[in-house]
Amino acid sequence: DTGVSQNPRHKITKRGQNVTFRCDPISEHNRLYWYRQTLGQGPEFLTYFQNEAQLEKSRLLSDRFSAERPKGSFSTLEIQRTEQGDSAMYLCASSPWGLSNTGELFFGEGSRLTVL
Amino acid sequence: KQEVTQIPAALSVPEGENLVLNCSFTDSAIYNLQWFRQDPGKGLTSLLLIQSSQREQTSGRLNASLDKSSGRSTLYIAASQPGDSATYLCAMAQFSGNTPLVFGKGTRLSVIA
Repeated sequence: DTGVSQNPRHKITKRGQNVTFRCDPISEHNRLYWYRQTLGQGPEFLTYFQNEAQLEKSRLLSDRFSAERPKGSFSTLEIQRTEQGDSAMYLCASSPWGLSNTGELFFGEGSRLTVL
Repeated sequence: KQEVTQIPAALSVPEGENLVLNCSFTDSAIYNLQWFRQDPGKGLTSLLLIQSSQREQTSGRLNASLDKSSGRSTLYIAASQPGDSATYLCAMAQFSGNTPLVFGKGTRLSVIA
């Protein structure tokens, strides 16, 4: 098990383009989270899934953002019509939620987005 | 709404010093509290997790404590090393754990050789 994997690690795009990030969680982790982090700030919650169900979305997740986890394994986060304010590090985390779960989250290395 | 504050925002110490990083929160109804380390441009590495029913956790040179009544947690680092230089973030989940982690802004630590 190699931990949470995120791709691509870096993405530079022009304003108005669409981008998609992928996250592969730790095997058998049924919860998957997306966070966004800007320079000098702590990560801010975007959304999370339990298996394939999207259980909660932050108000930060505008209509231009969509996340999916179709088979309860990997997840994608798509940003449509990117804006310069979308420039940030997008972090994915997973957790083995269950009856005796501690709630510990394990994060990937992040995907850094730069919108020109 | 839970708010998490970390003070100081930045800290510089000479190698070998023991140090304490502080984290305060506004709502004591927490499920757990987690301390993370983040190197520049990297993701988060989990250091210690304290459940609501626990008072402290230890791992090597690190010790984290939790005082719900005062709304505070501390991360103690013994005999600091240059390799400890990083940003340290605390985060907490509330209630049953079905709410997402709320993070502080972190403390940027520099250990000078």
